[in-house]
Amino acid sequence: SQQGEEDPQALSIQEGENATMNCSYKTSINNLQWYRQNSGRGLVHLILIRSNEREKHSGRLRVTLDTSKKSSSLLITASRAADTASYFCATVQGGSEKLVFGKGTKLTVNP
Amino acid sequence: DARVTQTPRHKVTEMGQEVTMRCQPILGHNTVFWYRQTMMQGLELLAYFRNRAPLDDSGMPKDRFSAEMPDATLATLKIQPSEPRDSAVYFCASGLVGTRSSGANVLTFGAGSRLTVL
Repeated sequence: SQQGEEDPQALSIQEGENATMNCSYKTSINNLQWYRQNSGRGLVHLILIRSNEREKHSGRLRVTLDTSKKSSSLLITASRAADTASYFCATVQGGSEKLVFGKGTKLTVNP
Repeated sequence: DARVTQTPRHKVTEMGQEVTMRCQPILGHNTVFWYRQTMMQGLELLAYFRNRAPLDDSGMPKDRFSAEMPDATLATLKIQPSEPRDSAVYFCASGLVGTRSSGANVLTFGAGSRLTVL
């Protein structure tokens, strides 16, 4: 069953704009991860945020986590055409080792 | 860069045929996962192994699917007999799970095996 649910399902922006994707989950978590999938490829890990962290940065990526609302957001600043991909959040539920993925946000960055 | 290798990349077969997908995980990773991706269901966890032992296969249809890890360099997912509803992309992923080392719990995915059952 899906644990994380991304929102929106699809997002289309112009190059240079910021892209924000949200993820909501249902149960307590140990950590939350974001992955990217280019068309026809496997998933690639982007960033991991632990349940006791509120914000994390990596290059043009900024991830926030609000455990009281059971939600996370991924912000990509100054987007590029190469950022076009699907983005997934994944969670490890407390007491489990299974990494469960949402259905993803499909991001299109227009040049 | 170390990577997860999956074969075959593409497979077209007829209903009723046996299909075997193979995965070579990254050396040193202790956990191997099998996922299935479809447009309708997204990424579904089928099964996973820790140190080659099956820990959970509750996501797999037991009557036709089987997953094994005969050695540390090979994981297999077998479908017998295959059905059209099995058409999907099957991903193998490996990671160092349950440890405190840097990069723990992060998965490296293979490129996937795209299965079409006619």
